[in-house]
Amino acid sequence: SAVISQKPSRDICQRGTSLTIQCQVDSQVTMMFWYRQQPGQSLTLIATANQGSEATYESGFVIDKFPISRPNLTFSTLTVSNMSPEDSSIYLCSVNPTGRAEAFFGQGTRLTVV
Amino acid sequence: GIQVEQSPPDLILQEGANSTLRCNFSDSVNNLQWFHQNPWGQLINLFYIPSGTKQNGRLSATTVATERYSLLYISSSQTTDSGVYFCAVEVEGSNYKLTFGKGTLLTVNP
Repeated sequence: SAVISQKPSRDICQRGTSLTIQCQVDSQVTMMFWYRQQPGQSLTLIATANQGSEATYESGFVIDKFPISRPNLTFSTLTVSNMSPEDSSIYLCSVNPTGRAEAFFGQGTRLTVV
Repeated sequence: GIQVEQSPPDLILQEGANSTLRCNFSDSVNNLQWFHQNPWGQLINLFYIPSGTKQNGRLSATTVATERYSLLYISSSQTTDSGVYFCAVEVEGSNYKLTFGKGTLLTVNP
């Protein structure tokens, strides 16, 4: 398995501000994934973060709103920019340990925008 | 894209009862996983099961890939089993990207 640490675990933010979420893995991984779970909904993939290249965003998600950094093989950040109440969600990072198809998730960041 | 349908959407049980959750998917998959989301939002891995049958304590899962469905069995349910159960699949060629079903909300009453 993989040990994935996400910070912060929760936050309450004012609309119009930005929040950066960190994801740290205990082993080197090629790809890291960021998912969003809106209240009462399922998980939706935001983007794939690859080390050394631009993140790849899914339909409906743009870099200006969700900039991602991937400075090395064990760390990534997701920023939620210019937040509105509609951004209130749980944000989760996920990895597949090298050589494994099984995905593991961080504990999530519960974001409330007021 | 692939469709992942879970049933039932909600399930209420008395402690000690057994249950079966179902996941249907519309296309061939490389990977299928079952997760349990606890009340704090954390996703707990239950099974990685692209095909076949696995058991872990009171839980077991079966995936019939040729018929595009998977089943999660919970026996002798406990209140701590409450939460949302998600099925997630990886489509061939998607590089580990997961598509989730909408989940089954399980409530186990004492």
